[in-house]
Amino acid sequence: AQSVTQLGSHVSVSEGALVLLRCNYSSSVPPYLFWYVQYPNQGLQLLLKYTSAATLVKGINGFEAEFKKSETSFHLTKPSAHMSDAAEYFCAVSDSSYKLIFGSGTRLLVRP
Amino acid sequence: GAVVSQHPSRVICKSGTSVKIECRSLDFQATTMFWYRQFPKKSLMLMATSNEGSKATYEQGVEKDKFLINHASLTLSTLTVTSAHPEDSSFYICSAHGQRGTEAFFGQGTRLTVV
Repeated sequence: AQSVTQLGSHVSVSEGALVLLRCNYSSSVPPYLFWYVQYPNQGLQLLLKYTSAATLVKGINGFEAEFKKSETSFHLTKPSAHMSDAAEYFCAVSDSSYKLIFGSGTRLLVRP
Repeated sequence: GAVVSQHPSRVICKSGTSVKIECRSLDFQATTMFWYRQFPKKSLMLMATSNEGSKATYEQGVEKDKFLINHASLTLSTLTVTSAHPEDSSFYICSAHGQRGTEAFFGQGTRLTVV
């Protein structure tokens, strides 16, 4: 069975500061890993995905994530937060069936 | 990226009535679509997997007679909430996959309020 744990339901950073959102996964097969962003009352937008190619994955809006098999982690980072980054972020894991298992989500707050 | 259109974006219905939500892939053929439910300030819970031309596969605990899913074509899947009750009020989101790739494309979601 697959599962995802997102540490911290809320993360608050100052504008211009580093963003770090944590995600750990559990999977019995080589996983596909994703980060999605959700703005209020909207669907999900894909930020980036890991599909067993490069372990450092670059996504949209300056986000990137590093797959670390030894730590079963796929943390999301951005060097400098922008006010528009304030949203809910979901980490998800999938096997080859495309079925996504989501973490509980982390709300990112950006202080001016 | 590919576009998935979900309609309606918001719906208010009376208890006991049925509501149909549509999920369309606009520029690709979706062999598989998924339906998720999201409670306020919660994560997405997978309800069912919908494959074109076959019966949907429901996750444990999801009532298949209450949440009817039809995937009649490669570009359209529908979720019908039958005999809706206030506890069915939620945000419902669909996602679609094409024949290649590992990425899911999500609809904009439907906010259902049952009064």
